[in-house]
Amino acid sequence: EAQVTQNPRYLITVTGKKLTVTCSQNMNHEYMSWYRQDPGLGLRQIYYSMNVEVTDKGDVPEGYKVSRKEKRNFPLILESPSPNQTSLYFCASRGTGTQYFGPGTRLTVL
Amino acid sequence: KQEVTQIPAALSVPEGENLVLNCSFTDSAIYNLQWFRQDPGKGLTSLLLIQSSQREQTSGRLNASLDKSSGRSTLYIAASQPGDSATYLCAVRGGSQGNLIFGKGTKLSVKP
Repeated sequence: EAQVTQNPRYLITVTGKKLTVTCSQNMNHEYMSWYRQDPGLGLRQIYYSMNVEVTDKGDVPEGYKVSRKEKRNFPLILESPSPNQTSLYFCASRGTGTQYFGPGTRLTVL
Repeated sequence: KQEVTQIPAALSVPEGENLVLNCSFTDSAIYNLQWFRQDPGKGLTSLLLIQSSQREQTSGRLNASLDKSSGRSTLYIAASQPGDSATYLCAVRGGSQGNLIFGKGTKLSVKP
């Protein structure tokens, strides 16, 4: 089954404690992306990757890092999380057409 | 810069009604347009993808149209059901390598 998976699905952490949210896709897609979704602000892109070792900033990249060492994986790294990074995070991938989304990671930073 | 607007922000209808959700975008030079459904706290499910050369796409009770020149798309839902209750998001892609730009969605509630 074609899918995008994210882990963990829920995470509560404290300010400053480094964390990584993993994302994996099984569709051999070159393009992958991370979004955050906040009430009233909609979906905003954090980072995207056109292919292995190629990443670029989206609209809200501050406080986040990404890496793309393999085609299937695109982890999101928060080196020093802060409460304003409390949000619902989505990973996505696409080939030439439809963009597919993961189930989301709900992150709370205390 | 591309901007995507969805009107209305929320809509409540009785079961069985046909309804139309609207999406407008400011730059008509799009590669494709995609409609998604999102249930509360869940991920996005792709409903329909319309390429820039197409005028409409259909899937079951859903029909999406695209008018690039006027910067508009509509999602038509026939014979609405309570299970259709969700937020519907419209997104446009500016080029083959472009990123998706999302509207803020229309929250649909279908009452039994």
